[in-house]
Amino acid sequence: DVKVTQSSRYLVKRTGEKVFLECVQDMDHENMFWYRQDPGLGLRLIYFSYDVKMKEKGDIPEGYSVSREKKERFSLILESASTNQTSMYLCASSLLSGSLTGELFFGEGSRLTVL
Amino acid sequence: AQSVTQLGSHVSVSEGALVLLRCNYSSSVPPYLFWYVQYPNQGLQLLLKYTSAATLVKGINGFEAEFKKSETSFHLTKPSAHMSDAAEYFCAVSDSNTGKLIFGQGTTLQVKP
Repeated sequence: DVKVTQSSRYLVKRTGEKVFLECVQDMDHENMFWYRQDPGLGLRLIYFSYDVKMKEKGDIPEGYSVSREKKERFSLILESASTNQTSMYLCASSLLSGSLTGELFFGEGSRLTVL
Repeated sequence: AQSVTQLGSHVSVSEGALVLLRCNYSSSVPPYLFWYVQYPNQGLQLLLKYTSAATLVKGINGFEAEFKKSETSFHLTKPSAHMSDAAEYFCAVSDSNTGKLIFGQGTTLQVKP
């Protein structure tokens, strides 16, 4: 089975701190995604990557950056956390063809609270 | 551009009753449509998908969905709700240009004993 692992399930940070959210997948998937989940808004795409060292902005990239140095690892970075970034963050991966067929595999999520 | 609307942010049914979760989409081309489920404190998992084959799609855990082009709908149904079906359900459409998934707002299903 595909496993997508997010390193932290719960984090509490202070305004202005730099935050790293790590995601690792074990199935050699080309695509990786970071979503933000908020009540009533569904999932919104922050950034995605189709290959190592490649990244593309999603729908809400402001205030975030990403890093993909290795195929299996995709990191989300909040350079200076703000309270409006308090949310659930979901990482997902898929095969290249899966990006068109919708078969995303999700991690369990990282719930971030910024005080 | 494609979009998805889920009607009703919360749906409550009794155990054994019919489950109906509504999803309407907009797309200028034949879409790929999906339902994902998120159980409490977990990530999302694929429930079923429509990729232009049969219009009635069967998924896991007894769920199914019917693609109706004339109504631009892809509603999710299950004949008899079980307590374990309590979760949040997301409808999604695949963007035909980028392959990205566009999610609806989600519907929380409550199952009462």
